[in-house]
Amino acid sequence: KAGVTQTPRYLIKTRGQQVTLSCSPISGHRSVSWYQQTPGQGLQFLFEYFSETQRNKGNFPGRFSGRQFSNSRSEMNVSTLELGDSALYLCASSSGLYETQYFGPGTRLLVL
Amino acid sequence: GEDVEQSLFLSVREGDSSVINCTYTDSSSTYLYWYKQEPGAGLQLLTYIFSNMDMKQDQRLTVLLNKKDKHLSLRIADTQTGDSAIYFCAEGERGYQKVTFGTGTKLQVIP
Repeated sequence: KAGVTQTPRYLIKTRGQQVTLSCSPISGHRSVSWYQQTPGQGLQFLFEYFSETQRNKGNFPGRFSGRQFSNSRSEMNVSTLELGDSALYLCASSSGLYETQYFGPGTRLLVL
Repeated sequence: GEDVEQSLFLSVREGDSSVINCTYTDSSSTYLYWYKQEPGAGLQLLTYIFSNMDMKQDQRLTVLLNKKDKHLSLRIADTQTGDSAIYFCAEGERGYQKVTFGTGTKLQVIP
């Protein structure tokens, strides 16, 4: 079974731009969560989707948004990028609400 | 609130045992996890333990949970150079996929 895939793997943007990151979960998994990893703040939960519905949201500004499609693929969007948004964005999927998450390799975003 | 703490760094000699410690605060946690992250890579789930368990062993890995003290440890027996990585402790609640991670412990294995 293929693992969680994330595209793109690397991205460079400038301040003020917006960015969309994509996550394809493991086949059959319906839950997708997003995390931001930075050296200063560590790993922080962004949001979680299950069956196209956002179930949980972390403490991030409204510039961070996401969605999940009917095939369980998920996207996250960051608008009006700031330097502090430079991070590794990790996506995780699980087969259900009570099951363990498996992480993708991440998308490394650099904001200049 | 939720908080998970770990020491930042651990150095061991190849062949020795490594013990990585973690403390957490959320008493409603039902799952406690250990993840491994190698440079430039995502997170690899190593093992997890339910909060109603005291110990779990999986090959070279032993997880000990002291629920009263909210203390979790990961022991790696016969540590190898390939074990060099950052290890994250994390807690989660049953029915929710939101997981709170610790700061990570960088394990350095000296040949």
